[in-house]
Amino acid sequence: AQTIHQWPVAEIKAVGSPLSLGCTIKGKSSPNLYWYWQATGGTLQQLFYSITVGQVESVVQLNLSASRPKDDQFILSTEKLLLSHSGFYLCAWSPTGGNERLFFGHGTKLSVL
Amino acid sequence: GEKVEQHESTLSVREGDSAVINCTYTDTASSYFPWYKQEAGKSLHFVIDIRSNVDRKQSQRLTVLLDKKAKRFSLHITATQPEDSAIYFCAASITGGYKVVFGSGTRLLVSP
Repeated sequence: AQTIHQWPVAEIKAVGSPLSLGCTIKGKSSPNLYWYWQATGGTLQQLFYSITVGQVESVVQLNLSASRPKDDQFILSTEKLLLSHSGFYLCAWSPTGGNERLFFGHGTKLSVL
Repeated sequence: GEKVEQHESTLSVREGDSAVINCTYTDTASSYFPWYKQEAGKSLHFVIDIRSNVDRKQSQRLTVLLDKKAKRFSLHITATQPEDSAIYFCAASITGGYKVVFGSGTRLLVSP
């Protein structure tokens, strides 16, 4: 069975500090990987997707970057956090090919102060 | 780009009643329409989906209807139970695409 693990579960960071969030998928080779951001009580905004190692597509510019260093790993980062980065970050995977259901991780709650 | 509008921000029903959540989309190229459920403080999980080659799909108490002409799709929940209480998100994506656009969510409250 496939499992998706996100880390950390929660972070409290200062404005201007760096950030790195991670996501690992086990039990599925070559998944499509996604990062989503959800403002408190809000909808989900797709940030990035990746269909293969080393290849990441940006969907919206929010002063964040993403990388896929291994087939089962997706990293979201920034060198300088903004207040507007606060929210809930969700990693998801889907089977190879587009238009398939997303399987979400448990999410990371980020508070930027 | 694609925009998905979810019409009901909040929906309150009594246990046992039916609930309907409506969404509209803008891109005629959209062909895949999933629904997700988010319980308080938790992540999202998939509940049901429909593809553009059909106009109706049922799974137990859930039915999704798709009207391509009106660019509208809806989630119908029958015999609601308190555990159905959650935020429901509709979404849309185009064929072969990796961009999935979500609606703003509908908070469903089922009271005993």
